[in-house]
Amino acid sequence: DVKVTQSSRYLVKRTGEKVFLECVQDMDHENMFWYRQDPGLGLRLIYFSYDVKMKEKGDIPEGYSVSREKKERFSLILESASTNQTSMYLCASSSTGGHRDEQFFGPGTRLTVL
Amino acid sequence: SQQGEEDPQALSIQEGENATMNCSYKTSINNLQWYRQNSGRGLVHLILIRSNEREKHSGRLRVTLDTSKKSSSLLITASRAADTASYFCATPTGGGSEKLVFGKGTKLTVNP
Repeated sequence: DVKVTQSSRYLVKRTGEKVFLECVQDMDHENMFWYRQDPGLGLRLIYFSYDVKMKEKGDIPEGYSVSREKKERFSLILESASTNQTSMYLCASSSTGGHRDEQFFGPGTRLTVL
Repeated sequence: SQQGEEDPQALSIQEGENATMNCSYKTSINNLQWYRQNSGRGLVHLILIRSNEREKHSGRLRVTLDTSKKSSSLLITASRAADTASYFCATPTGGGSEKLVFGKGTKLTVNP
């Protein structure tokens, strides 16, 4: 069974802290994505990675960075967390072959920045 | 960049009734996908319809695509309380990119 896991379901951090959100997929997918989801705004793409060490900015990359050192792992980093980064963060992965286009999502991390 | 827009934003029906959700998009696409999200969880892929298809079925789901009107609809027949969730349409951004653009979703409540 395909699986995307995220390191935490709920996270509470303080303003100014460095925050790491981890995502791991076991499907050998080439592509991995980080989204944030806010009421009334839907899903917005933060960053996208199409290969190890490769990344591409999404629609709202400001205040975030990413790391992809291994194919199965894609990390989202908040260098200095701010209250406006309180949100639900969703990781997803997809393949460039087979069931291409379909994205598989993790359960989400609800981050609160105080 | 918003591509798909779902309509209605919220829908409340009784168990056993059918639920229809619509999605409109702006640019040419090669496929359109529907996802479901249970409250506080990740999204789950339901169905993908390609631009050369007009209708597709999967269990109690029926998806139609009208490329001339740039619209799609998702029909859930004989709804159940377990169908209560938000439903999103998503379209590729194009240019060979693997990225999708999601609409803001329709929140469906099925009352027992």
